[in-house]
Amino acid sequence: NAGVTQTPKFQVLKTGQSMTLQCAQDMNHNSMYWYRQDPGMGLRLIYYSASEGTTDKGEVPNGYNVSRLNKREFSLRLESAAPSQTSVYFCASSEARIGRSYGYTFGSGTRLTVV
Amino acid sequence: RKEVEQDPGPFNVPEGATVAFNCTYSNSASQSFFWYRQDCRKEPKLLMSVYSSGNEDGRFTAQLNRASQYISLLIRDSKLSDSATYLCVVNTGFQKLVFGTGTRLLVSP
Repeated sequence: NAGVTQTPKFQVLKTGQSMTLQCAQDMNHNSMYWYRQDPGMGLRLIYYSASEGTTDKGEVPNGYNVSRLNKREFSLRLESAAPSQTSVYFCASSEARIGRSYGYTFGSGTRLTVV
Repeated sequence: RKEVEQDPGPFNVPEGATVAFNCTYSNSASQSFFWYRQDCRKEPKLLMSVYSSGNEDGRFTAQLNRASQYISLLIRDSKLSDSATYLCVVNTGFQKLVFGTGTRLLVSP
């Protein structure tokens, strides 16, 4: 089925370890996003990519880096994981055109625990 | 002040009841609005967009009041399967959506 695919679904890291969360969409969407969701905080934007070749910081970018590898793929990297980065991470994509606004399609999420 | 504010609930209602959620937003330049549904431990899914004229999709009705900067969602004839968290979402710029923390709905038999 068409959609947004995230890997891995679950991950446990030790403090200081690094890892990359992968995201791919097959809907030919221009824009892609990474959010984190924490209890009581809602979804917060980490980074986004309005189009292939561009990336911008969101609300909570510290401790993360991203790469828009091509139109389909947008990865999120934690260089040195910290317990505060324990969260559920969602990737999303959207068609995104000037003058129109579309909803997002989300991946199923990555549950990350940093110990 | 949060950009998007919702009553966290939970709203406990019996099957068949009508329930309404409100959401307020702070950015008067916000351009578009949505309601998302999120089931426990699942990803958010788009429920419906919210248009200035109001819109309806089956048992669900969404309305927007730009003057007062609030959005509402009305669910009629609640089903057990409607139990979920409902997220109010506002577009504050070019494809940058801001999510409320959600309102939890529990529908009981």
